[in-house]
Amino acid sequence: ETGVTQTPRHLVMGMTNKKSLKCEQHLGHNAMYWYKQSAKKPLELMFVYNFKEQTENNSVPSRFSPECPNSSHLFLHLHTLQPEDSALYLCASSQAGAAYEQYFGPGTRLTVT
Amino acid sequence: AQTVTQSQPEMSVQEAETVTLSCTYDTSESDYYLFWYKQPPSRQMILVIRQEAYKQQNATENRFSVNFQKAAKSFSLKISDSQLGDAAMYFCAYLTNDYKLSFGAGTTVTVRA
Repeated sequence: ETGVTQTPRHLVMGMTNKKSLKCEQHLGHNAMYWYKQSAKKPLELMFVYNFKEQTENNSVPSRFSPECPNSSHLFLHLHTLQPEDSALYLCASSQAGAAYEQYFGPGTRLTVT
Repeated sequence: AQTVTQSQPEMSVQEAETVTLSCTYDTSESDYYLFWYKQPPSRQMILVIRQEAYKQQNATENRFSVNFQKAAKSFSLKISDSQLGDAAMYFCAYLTNDYKLSFGAGTTVTVRA
């Protein structure tokens, strides 16, 4: 695997379910990000991790819970979601503390029913 | 927070012709970085071009070039000799001093054969 990978690519879940999104980067980066992409809206930054430490929580509801066990892996745990949470969730990575570009994964298309 | 505005939701271009995508941003910083990202229908976001604000010379990457007007806070992308593979959504992004990307709403580019 190369670059940034995300699993699953598609996920349908009910409002009472619990699921997790996984992101893995193979680029040796030390910063990882979660973004939400909804139709007709700019990408919204959700969480930032630098060297496994969360440095940004952009007022995200607690039904989204991130986890970063190491610099290569990032999870987004989901529980009791709402239909308006349906979106494309993108993971990205970069070198921390530097003005380098972020590399994105293909995203997980989440549908909440 | 920095605001990035892309005023063109959609643009259409004939194959081999040129198209220009507009982007304006709002900032009080003097040093920053600007990016154009491309998101094809397969959804993987990739970097097209990058511009450092302290550089007066406009960045160029093969058929892609920018017109960076710092005083006007404008950062347009020109795609020359358009190809069918250029069809995608294009996002303008601003990198903040704490290394977070702020995105515009995107412009969908359609290439006519």
